[in-house]
Formats: sequence, structure tokens, C-alpha cells
Amino acid sequence: GQQVMQIPQYQHVQEGEDFTTYCNSSTTLSNIQWYKQRPGGHPVFLIQLVKSGEVKKQKRLTFQFGEAKKNSSLHITATQTTDVGTYFCAGRVIVDSSYKLIFGSGTRLLVRP
Amino acid sequence: ETGVTQTPRHLVMGMTNKKSLKCEQHLGHNAMYWYKQSAKKPLELMFVYSLEERVENNSVPSRFSPECPNSSHLFLHLHTLQPEDSALYLCASSTHWDSYEQYFGPGTRLTVT
Repeated sequence: GQQVMQIPQYQHVQEGEDFTTYCNSSTTLSNIQWYKQRPGGHPVFLIQLVKSGEVKKQKRLTFQFGEAKKNSSLHITATQTTDVGTYFCAGRVIVDSSYKLIFGSGTRLLVRP
Repeated sequence: ETGVTQTPRHLVMGMTNKKSLKCEQHLGHNAMYWYKQSAKKPLELMFVYSLEERVENNSVPSRFSPECPNSSHLFLHLHTLQPEDSALYLCASSTHWDSYEQYFGPGTRLTVT
């Protein structure tokens, strides 16, 4: 079945370093969403990418959608302790004429102050 | 954030018990979802309701029984659960069942003893 693979599973960085998480899908995605889940919290929507090659920025966060719409990345510049949490991608695919949202396994980010 | 509320926040139950999880959304959305989040596994979509009608059921065991009496409320009835059912159960809502972002509730941390 459809899968969305996310790497790395876990990353520990020094505050001020950059961080990137990658998502790869086995099938073409209609769009991709990114969520952040703080420790002990629930997933919170960050952004959605729809167009091939799309790039969106939110302050220190840069989101990219691949040209083939099968992969995506989230890059954080100069991490801060407030960036701690698990980042999930979620790809939307069409299955049997209906949409399904498939979540990646998440990348857990820890930031050393 | 109080857009999506869930009760109880924590639940410990024996394998022979019957309990129910409740979710309420105050966002005027038409779609509601149940997810299971286990350690080291991707978010697993369990059920999707659109305007009180179940539109998706992802091979969930019958010991989990959803109920959606109206578009603002969603229940998950539990009976004869197994220890491997212990997880965080998240409720979410969205404007429509195939539309953009999902808004998650805080979750119910379930432990089956």
C-alpha cells in the first residue's frame, strides 16, 4: 500500500545549528502537509504544499515540495529550543476516487541549549 | 487551543471493561476523525466521519466502535481491549473530509491493563 517514509527518525542538534527532515512517497501526492507535535502535545498544522517544486517559508522554516510531487523537506535555520518536538509530514493521495491522508513516522528534534 | 476537546485525558481500563472516549469540536467543521498514535509508529487513521456519516473505516478491530450523533460530537466506544491497544487516541476535525488541514484535540492517553 501507499507509504510515506520520513527520515531521520531522530536528530539532536546544538542550538543555532540547522535541521532538515525529509519525506518520500512511493506514489505521487496531490499535496503534502506538515505538522509539529510538541512533547506531551498534539499535532498542530504548519503548512500545506500543493504545486510541483513549491517552496514556502515561515520565518526560520522552509518547506519544499519536489518536482515529481513524491518528496518534501522541512528545513529549520538556526534552531532554537522552542523548535523541540516531532515533525510529521502527511501526504494526500487519491485511492479509489477518494482522498487519503497518510502520515510519515515523524522526525523527533531535540535542541541542546 | 480549545477548538477540539477530548475527554477523558487519561484512562486506565481492564481488558473486560467497557468505556467511551468523547470528542467535541467547536469549529463548525463537517468532518471528524479518530487516530491512534503508538510509540515509534506513524499516526494511524481509524475512522472518518463526514456530516455524521462514516466515510472511512481502516480495518479497525470491532472492539473499537465509533459513533457520530452530530457533526460536533464523536465517540469511540471501547470493549474487551488488549494491552497492545494502549496508545494516545487523537480526535481531529476539518472543514470537509477531503480538505486541507486537520485540527487535533489533546488526545486521550489510554492504558489497558
